[in-house]
Amino acid sequence: QKEVEQDPGPLSVPEGAIVSLNCTYSNSAFQYFMWYRQYSRKGPELLMYTYSSGNKEDGRFTAQVDKSSKYISLFIRDSQPSDSATYLCAILRGSGSQGNLIFGKGTKLSVKP
Amino acid sequence: DAGVIQSPRHEVTEMGQEVTLRCKPISGHDYLFWYRQTMMRGLELLIYFNNNVPIDDSGMPEDRFSAKMPNASFSTLKIQPSEPRDSAVYFCASSLSSNQPQHFGDGTRLSIL
Repeated sequence: QKEVEQDPGPLSVPEGAIVSLNCTYSNSAFQYFMWYRQYSRKGPELLMYTYSSGNKEDGRFTAQVDKSSKYISLFIRDSQPSDSATYLCAILRGSGSQGNLIFGKGTKLSVKP
Repeated sequence: DAGVIQSPRHEVTEMGQEVTLRCKPISGHDYLFWYRQTMMRGLELLIYFNNNVPIDDSGMPEDRFSAKMPNASFSTLKIQPSEPRDSAVYFCASSLSSNQPQHFGDGTRLSIL
């Protein structure tokens, strides 16, 4: 089993829809979870950074971690065309060492006006 | 802040040629990372530096790849000789410390013919 798995999509939704993006991971010891957004021909940019289980909210974005299921989610409320991008989950493999950051392959999202 | 700056943005060259990719990290960031992104494999860490010292190069695919960081504001990734399978987008990222998020440049799109 791969350490991080993510459905590549593509995912197409109408403007205003709630979007749910998900990743699963293999090692229950992982503690730091991130979501990056990548626009076409740009580098990934950090959206959300969570530690351990629970929810974290930032505007229209909510990151959720379920450690018992080894499942992380990113929810986007009231989605906008400007949210169209590829979303990558990332997990810190070790404790505090950024060199052990592993990425999912990304889910391509398209929000139609 | 100017962000992470990579050059060139695009590089097209013939198989067997030497390729040099360049990166200027964000001023004050102690960590620098080189990644490669392809459709098949996603975003993969190649090597990372802490305070200009290479810490982990286990992701470097083979001896044809080398990376240097002669000072805190400059790093290079070199491929010699290049092969068509090296075609990918190469990203550089930097972070303030091991527990801080990574900031990515906009990448170098490399095509080896």
